[in-house]
Amino acid sequence: GQSLEQPSEVTAVEGAIVQINCTYQTSGFYGLSWYQQHDGGAPTFLSYNGLDGLEETGRFSSFLSRSDSYGYLLLQELQMKDSASYFCAVRCILTGGGNKLTFGTGTQLKVEL
Amino acid sequence: NAGVMQNPRHLVRRRGQEARLRCSPMKGHSHVYWYRQLPEEGLKFMVYLQKENIIDESGMPKERFSAEFPKEGPSILRIQQVVRGDSAAYFCASGPSSLAPTPSGKSYEQYFGPGTRLTVT
Repeated sequence: GQSLEQPSEVTAVEGAIVQINCTYQTSGFYGLSWYQQHDGGAPTFLSYNGLDGLEETGRFSSFLSRSDSYGYLLLQELQMKDSASYFCAVRCILTGGGNKLTFGTGTQLKVEL
Repeated sequence: NAGVMQNPRHLVRRRGQEARLRCSPMKGHSHVYWYRQLPEEGLKFMVYLQKENIIDESGMPKERFSAEFPKEGPSILRIQQVVRGDSAAYFCASGPSSLAPTPSGKSYEQYFGPGTRLTVT
C-alpha cells in the first residue's frame, strides 16, 4: 500500500516563508507532485519532482529526497490568496502510459496579516 | 482553450437513485482519471480510462460503481442505488500519455475539472 503524511494545519503571516513537509511510503514511486486547492475547488498543479533536489517555480519551490522518502513545498513572500489546502501526491506510472496519483490528506495553510 | 469540463456541478439524489457524472477532458488529452474526495480528506484515485478502455480501476468500489469513456462523448462515472456514504466531491482529471512521442503538456501533470458535488439525501 501507499501512505503519505503531511501536517494538517500551518499558519504564517503575510510576507513570510513557509515549508510544508511530506513523507511517504510507497511502491512504484516515480515522482512527487504538489497541488493547491481553494475551498474544495479544482486542485491546481504547482510543482513536480522526478529527481532529487530543488525545483523552483516563481514563489513556489519543491524539494525531493528519494533516499529519505521525503519532500517539501516552500512558499515564499506569502500572500493572503495563498490561504488554501496543499496536497502532496505520489506519482506512479500505469499500464498504457497513464499516471496514478496517491494524495496525502492535505495541509490547510492560513495566511494572516 | 477549454479546460476539463464536468457536469453537473451539483447533484442531489435520494437513496436508491442513480447518479451520472460527466467529464470532458482537455483537448489533446487521451487519459481520464476519476477521484473522490470526502470532506476534510485528500483525493482518492478511483479509475483510469482511455477511449473505450478501462485501464486501471483498482480504486473503484466493487459494487454499484462503473465508469466508461466511449469513442464519442464524455467519460461517465455511474453510481447505482446511491447511499448516503456516496456523498462526496467527484473530480475528473485529464492528462497526456507518458508514452506519446510528443505529449501535449508535461506527462506528469494532471488537469482537474471543477468537480461534481454529490449529495445523497
